[in-house]
Amino acid sequence: GAGVSQSPSNKVTEKGKDVELRCDPISGHTALYWYRQSLGQGLEFLIYFQGNSAPDKSGLPSDRFSAERTGGSVSTLTIQRTQQEDSAVYLCASSRDKNIQYFGAGTRLSVL
Amino acid sequence: GQNIDQPTEMTATEGAIVQINCTYQTSGFNGLFWYQQHAGEAPTFLSYNVLDGLEEKGRFSSFLSRSKGYSYLLLKELQMKDSASYLCAVRVYNQGGKLIFGQGTELSVKP
Repeated sequence: GAGVSQSPSNKVTEKGKDVELRCDPISGHTALYWYRQSLGQGLEFLIYFQGNSAPDKSGLPSDRFSAERTGGSVSTLTIQRTQQEDSAVYLCASSRDKNIQYFGAGTRLSVL
Repeated sequence: GQNIDQPTEMTATEGAIVQINCTYQTSGFNGLFWYQQHAGEAPTFLSYNVLDGLEEKGRFSSFLSRSKGYSYLLLKELQMKDSASYLCAVRVYNQGGKLIFGQGTELSVKP
């Protein structure tokens, strides 16, 4: 069956531009998570969705970061006015009933 | 606060056994997960422990001691393809199932 799909796989952008990262979770998974993996760092939690609502946004680093989920399925993470410190791999995971999380391959974001 | 520690790097020989340790300090512990991540790929689920003891799954086993805040991942009969990063993660109560990760252990398997 299909796993978690993320697009684009790589994104290069200029400082100050906005970017959108997309996540397609496994069908039927109600919970969706975004994490960030910076070079030499562990995965860092950003935001959690249950259905279309986001009960936990505590990991978003600044108000330049936002995310939404529509139809209980696809999620988009938006970073406005990107900065060089935003360069990282952004990983999405989904799970059924907050159990085992299955990850996508991530989007590698490079801000020049 | 939440803190998870694991060694940064380990090296082992093909065919041998290696143990990767993970210690954690968290409030509201609700399970410990191990993931494997090859460079440039998605982390893949290996094991889950919520009660004390050993869980065995083929060449991979994981152990948990909640009283000591300690887990290990045991890999037997190492193969070259086991060279990867191994991620220890803790789930806590009432936080929607989000995982708190350690920095990962980069395992190199040598011939």
